[in-house]
Amino acid sequence: GAGVSQSPSNKVTEKGKDVELRCDPISGHTALYWYRQSLGQGLEFLIYFQGNSAPDKSGLPSDRFSAERTGGSVSTLTIQRTQQEDSAVYLCASTSPQGSTDTQYFGPGTRLTVL
Amino acid sequence: GENVEQHPSTLSVQEGDSAVIKCTYSDSASNYFPWYKQELGKRPQLIIDIRSNVGEKKDQRIAVTLNKTAKHFSLHITETQPEDSAVYFCAASMGGGNKLTFGTGTQLKVEL
Repeated sequence: GAGVSQSPSNKVTEKGKDVELRCDPISGHTALYWYRQSLGQGLEFLIYFQGNSAPDKSGLPSDRFSAERTGGSVSTLTIQRTQQEDSAVYLCASTSPQGSTDTQYFGPGTRLTVL
Repeated sequence: GENVEQHPSTLSVQEGDSAVIKCTYSDSASNYFPWYKQELGKRPQLIIDIRSNVGEKKDQRIAVTLNKTAKHFSLHITETQPEDSAVYFCAASMGGGNKLTFGTGTQLKVEL
């Protein structure tokens, strides 16, 4: 079946502009995660949604970052007033925590460049 | 919160040799430890994982070992091939769909 998809694949923006990044998880997956990967670095947790529970926002680096998940499926990560240090690849992942699997499946990422 | 350290940051081996990457974690509540392979410009892909109720797991040329007491786990790749060249990330989680805390990655290069 279809994997996790993200759009856009690349986004170039000017400092101070707002951006929205979209994630479509695997159908039926109840948990959705956002991570950030700066050039040559590891993956940094940002936020995750699990079913109808309140999201875990503990990884968001500032109040310029927010995310929502509508209808338990698609998620949008919004970065307001972008800064150059926001430049990174933003990766989305999803999983279905029921049963014995915890495998997180990643999307292809959105490469954000802030000029 | 959880902290995962990973070593080495770079590893170069000759084709056919073995490669070992080591990680340590800090939170004794963590019970799920996946390893991801990321090729240049591609998404991370799970290659193997282990839960805290077992000490070792194998899948063909890949194995993972876990020492809960010492809070460390390792990835072992035997008979390395050029296509094994990639960045490998370890991670830890409390399971049940919780977030992953990643190590900083190991760039593995398999030379002919």
